[in-house]
Amino acid sequence: DIVMTQSPDSLAVSLGERATINCKSSQSVLYDSNNKNYLAWYQQKPGQPPKLLIYWASTRESGVPDRFSGSGSGTDFTLTISSLQAEDVAIYYCQQYYNWYTFGQGTKLEIK
Amino acid sequence: EVQLVESGGGLVQPGGSLRLSCAASGFTFSNYWMNWVRQAPGKGLVWVSRINSDGSSINYADSVKGRFTISRDNAKNTLYLQMNSLRAEDTAVYYCVRVGALPFDCWGQGTLVTVSS
Repeated sequence: DIVMTQSPDSLAVSLGERATINCKSSQSVLYDSNNKNYLAWYQQKPGQPPKLLIYWASTRESGVPDRFSGSGSGTDFTLTISSLQAEDVAIYYCQQYYNWYTFGQGTKLEIK
Repeated sequence: EVQLVESGGGLVQPGGSLRLSCAASGFTFSNYWMNWVRQAPGKGLVWVSRINSDGSSINYADSVKGRFTISRDNAKNTLYLQMNSLRAEDTAVYYCVRVGALPFDCWGQGTLVTVSS
């Protein structure tokens, strides 16, 4: 199984500041034949189901604000929120869909 | 509007059974692979099972293999999860999730399963 490890486990950032969440996979999730990274990011707010934010490591889902961006390739990935808004308080999960599906343990993002 | 609505959760004793349902609307259900994902209270997300669009290909996480059965009725736009031999560690919110060209792009609100005596 591919193990996904996120860092940090929790993060407090001031409003308007940048938030960065890292995700590392135990093996590459880059599929050579199409040069795509099978990596997604989800946002889960309290009492709600997760919401897809980013797929193919860097493609924003329709309707997701452009302050959210994804980067990385192979085994190391990053979710960046360029200017934190109050409504971004949530738990963020990375997920690989290269070989079945596994999620990171989650990163709790709060306002400082 | 694309919608997934789970039902069937509740309190069950260890060793008992429960069947979850997920009613889909707003999209062509028979075109999509479907999954169940669970989340124990205060914990992270764990994939449980998936079924392809016509039900001919099915996969399970090792933790539920042999105890859970996923199925679908495309005529009724409904996904199911039959859960047998339930254990305390199966306690979780169970989400029905769609997979298409995008991974896990639509989630239901979830249904809570509590396994306790």
